[in-house]
Amino acid sequence: KQEVTQIPAALSVPEGENLVLNCSFTDSAIYNLQWFRQDPGKGLTSLLLIQSSQREQTSGRLNASLDKSSGRSTLYIAASQPGDSATYLCAVYTGGFKTIFGAGTRLFVKA
Amino acid sequence: EAGVVQSPRYKIIEKKQPVAFWCNPISGHNTLYWYLQNLGQGPELLIRYENEEAVDDSQLPKDRFSAERLKGVDSTLKIQPAELGDSAVYLCASSPSPSGEETQYFGPGTRLLVL
Repeated sequence: KQEVTQIPAALSVPEGENLVLNCSFTDSAIYNLQWFRQDPGKGLTSLLLIQSSQREQTSGRLNASLDKSSGRSTLYIAASQPGDSATYLCAVYTGGFKTIFGAGTRLFVKA
Repeated sequence: EAGVVQSPRYKIIEKKQPVAFWCNPISGHNTLYWYLQNLGQGPELLIRYENEEAVDDSQLPKDRFSAERLKGVDSTLKIQPAELGDSAVYLCASSPSPSGEETQYFGPGTRLLVL
């Protein structure tokens, strides 16, 4: 059974700091991995989608990497801003068309 | 383009009462998902539709939960009777297809509180 774990569960950093969020999954047989952002009281917004054949994706200050063999992904946020404060969720898309989500990392960026 | 629309946004009911949630997916999206999200957890799939057909309802508690997607567009998720443990956020999402290459687009969710 696929399990997705995110570390740390919560993170507080000063504005301007570069940071890394971690995601691990137990079964490497995935189609893709996505990073989502969730603001309080709102739905999820897709940030980056990495196909199983890719190693990384970049969007602005965000960079996500994928290492299928080790079952790991990282989301790198450069020069963090208070507007980055949110919960970041990692999700893997597996065989059987199921998306398995991690519990998320709650990020707070202090001004 | 309009996003996924859900209503109501909030619902407070007493236990044993029925409740229904409505979702309007993005136009043209054939795949529709209902997820349950407990506090501090990631979403968990309840049911997935391809057009009007429920192709994966293995996680749906069928003794009290039901769902429908008539005409393959809007969908309704119902709980009857509601229990205290059903308090959670119910998220609807849609995607153009079930392919692993497509992302899912989420609505804002319905926050349910059962008293």
